[in-house]
Amino acid sequence: GNSVTQMEGPVTLSEEAFLTINCTYTATGYPSLFWYVQYPGEGLQLLLKATKADDKGSNKGFEATYRKETTSFHLEKGSVQVSDSAVYFCALSPNDYKLSFGAGTTVTVRA
Amino acid sequence: DGGITQSPKYLFRKEGQNVTLSCEQNLNHDAMYWYRQDPGQGLRLIYYSQIVNDFQKGDIAEGYSVSREKKESFPLTVTSAQKNPTAFYLCASSIQGSGYTFGSGTRLTVV
Repeated sequence: GNSVTQMEGPVTLSEEAFLTINCTYTATGYPSLFWYVQYPGEGLQLLLKATKADDKGSNKGFEATYRKETTSFHLEKGSVQVSDSAVYFCALSPNDYKLSFGAGTTVTVRA
Repeated sequence: DGGITQSPKYLFRKEGQNVTLSCEQNLNHDAMYWYRQDPGQGLRLIYYSQIVNDFQKGDIAEGYSVSREKKESFPLTVTSAQKNPTAFYLCASSIQGSGYTFGSGTRLTVV
């Protein structure tokens, strides 16, 4: 079956630090991969996506590259801000309707 | 602007009562979903629907019911059979392979 494994949190960083959240997946075929972000008390927002191997998704300074050889889609940001404090979810879609989500990683950025 | 609207934002339920959470989308998406999120946990799928008048159980359907009489609407009823209904409920919609658009959520509390 399809599954997503995210690095466990919580992650606490200082402002301007480098952020990496690891995500690996198990799926048949060539799924689309996503990162979602959830700010406190809100729903999830799509942060970025990649639909095929070696694609790089990027948005708001965040990047993730679809690596089929390592079945990974790690999220990175070079310099985090306090406003990046949120829960981040990795997800995959095997090109049907359903998404499989990771458990989420809570990130706290301190000023 | 197209989007997905959940109401109410906060809902209080007495023991033994049924309550219905509303979810409406004007994105012309075929599929709609209900997820439950508990503090510090990921998303668990309750029900989903790919077309009007059809829906399937997710991983935690017991104590919940849904209907899909219109493409735009996918209400969730939390019945008295759900023993621990206090949670954050998220509705989402999608078209095939494109990821989800989420609503802003309904926080249900049993009083």
